[in-house]
Amino acid sequence: DQQVKQNSPSLSVQEGRISILNCDYTNSMFDYFLWYKKYPAEGPTFLISISSIKDKNEDGRFTVFLNKSAKHLSLHIVPSQPGDSAVYFCAASAQDSNYQLIWGAGTKLIIKP
Amino acid sequence: DTGVSQDPRHKITKRGQNVTFRCDPISEHNRLYWYRQTLGQGPEFLTYFQNEAQLEKSRLLSDRFSAERPKGSFSTLEIQRTEQGDSAMYLCASSQPGQGVEGYTFGSGTRLTVV
Repeated sequence: DQQVKQNSPSLSVQEGRISILNCDYTNSMFDYFLWYKKYPAEGPTFLISISSIKDKNEDGRFTVFLNKSAKHLSLHIVPSQPGDSAVYFCAASAQDSNYQLIWGAGTKLIIKP
Repeated sequence: DTGVSQDPRHKITKRGQNVTFRCDPISEHNRLYWYRQTLGQGPEFLTYFQNEAQLEKSRLLSDRFSAERPKGSFSTLEIQRTEQGDSAMYLCASSQPGQGVEGYTFGSGTRLTVV
């Protein structure tokens, strides 16, 4: 039972364009959502997050949108840069879960020159 | 402080052998987590420590798995009688008091291959 789903295993985007990564969840108890970035041979690093009381959070080139009614969130990267090529994981946590994270399977983003 | 350190980076073992991994968290972090990541999947929660107390264990953590954090600093994860299905990346993360999930710092992981 996958509670967090990233249905696109990979995404290829031209440098300078917008990258949009999607994530769906099923558990309505989730109240906090995060995006992590992972390079090969390294651990995941935190990128951006959003609380369920918001529908948008922006940090520089990165914006996360949350649609609670659709149980869907997306990460927008504008403009995409070569260094953005990595695997992006969507993760969620529920209140009182000891900060335990439930993760999607990841989307490999490839930025083409 | 160089972040969360995991040792070894890679481990190849024969089926049936025991293996032990070590995680050294960031020194002031009192929370420590172990996750397992199999190929093509996201990390899955295994267990959580607050200081030396193991507060939560996933059902993924069978009887063959045991984790300790004896002095509230480093932690070890032992797998007894390894099986091929144990092949995965084992990730450790730590966070400090007052931080939410954004405060996780992950190590680079230990990749286990059971042959």
